[in-house]
Amino acid sequence: QAQLVHSGAELKNPGASVKLSCKASGFTFNTYALHWVRQAPGQGFEWMGGINAGNGDTKSSQKFQGRVTLTRDTSASTAYMELSSMRSEDTALYYCARLTPGRPFDHWGQGIPVTVSS
Amino acid sequence: DIQMTQSPSTLSASVRDRVTITCRASQSIRSWLAWYQQQPGKAPKLLIYEASSLESGVPSRFSGSGSGTEFTLTISSLQPDDFATYYCQQYSSYPYTFGQGTKLEIK
Repeated sequence: QAQLVHSGAELKNPGASVKLSCKASGFTFNTYALHWVRQAPGQGFEWMGGINAGNGDTKSSQKFQGRVTLTRDTSASTAYMELSSMRSEDTALYYCARLTPGRPFDHWGQGIPVTVSS
Repeated sequence: DIQMTQSPSTLSASVRDRVTITCRASQSIRSWLAWYQQQPGKAPKLLIYEASSLESGVPSRFSGSGSGTEFTLTISSLQPDDFATYYCQQYSSYPYTFGQGTKLEIK
């Protein structure tokens, strides 16, 4: 069945960048979009952006424009999210989630803990 | 951005109770609303999409209703596994936004 597997936990200094990965299996990668959603400790969810795995088109939240870069490697069935100029407020659990047009997020990765601290 | 407001924030109930959670959108989202369940330490699980469609594999005690700006999630007879946090999410327009969550606790 469909599965999304993340890279491991990250610890970053303020001002650094992080690149997170999301490897897909069990479905045809380039027929879906992969989105990134984060959850700060004890908080709700915040949508960051997504990439059409087929044509590479991206959409991201205005809040992160200029700091977030979304890419994918179709040969590896993997989506990536790079966040730059990180600050303490970026400490969160980061998820990728699969999206089909007209449907919400039906499969999620296990989440990647990212901590920003000096 | 479309604001999503859930109520209540916390709900105490007992096994076999019927409970309802409400979600309001700051503007019409037609039926582009989803409900998720999140257990502690786990990723969210999709329960309901298009306001009232049950995701495959989800028990029929879960149901959703509403359109426009007012939506509800109902659990007809609570089971022990149902004590979790529930979130609504609009996918009518970007940026996709979520409600703040409703924590369903055992009374």
